[in-house]
Amino acid sequence: NAGVTQTPKFQVLKTGQSMTLQCAQDMNHNSMYWYRQDPGMGLRLIYYSASEGTTDKGEVPNGYNVSRLNKREFSLRLESAAPSQTSVYFCASSDLEGYTRSYEQFFGPGTRLTVL
Amino acid sequence: KNEVEQSPQNLTAQEGEFITINCSYSVGISALHWLQQHPGGGIVSLFMLSSGKKKHGRLIATINIQEKHSSLHITASHPRDSAVYICAVKGAGGTSYGKLTFGQGTILTVHP
Repeated sequence: NAGVTQTPKFQVLKTGQSMTLQCAQDMNHNSMYWYRQDPGMGLRLIYYSASEGTTDKGEVPNGYNVSRLNKREFSLRLESAAPSQTSVYFCASSDLEGYTRSYEQFFGPGTRLTVL
Repeated sequence: KNEVEQSPQNLTAQEGEFITINCSYSVGISALHWLQQHPGGGIVSLFMLSSGKKKHGRLIATINIQEKHSSLHITASHPRDSAVYICAVKGAGGTSYGKLTFGQGTILTVHP
């Protein structure tokens, strides 16, 4: 099993360009998340999808859109990139584990995005 | 004030030392996670606990629900333990997904 995969690993954009970050998981998890990680800020939730067909805003959703394409895939789109969106983006997935509502999250390798 | 506070923010140790990283939170929780992130690397879940203590190899995690506090201990530290350690909590209340709130992380450097 590959776990959680993300593409691309690195990307450089110019201000105003658009792009989509792709995420897929093969663990049959219901819930998927997009985070950004900035120095000194910790991980912050951008959007999440509790289950296939639903998406909700997290802590920092402005400037982003998401699509839960199917149970496996959850994409993050930047419509008009801004330098403030320079960050490392992580996708994660989770589900119930065993008999406890443990919600262990499994993270992808990250996408390092620079907006010039 | 952040909902999840970690201390210290930076920690330097010599190989073999016993290390403690602390996490305090201000909300009711149903679970607390400890995560590890190596430089330039991905994020790996170390522990998930809602009470008591868990041990895995040289790592021990404890939680005191009444005091809203958790600690991560590393015994006989090694340079390969150098990483960022992140505390995250899942709020109490019935939900079907695991939305987490994260601390800022503790940067650990272990010198040989």
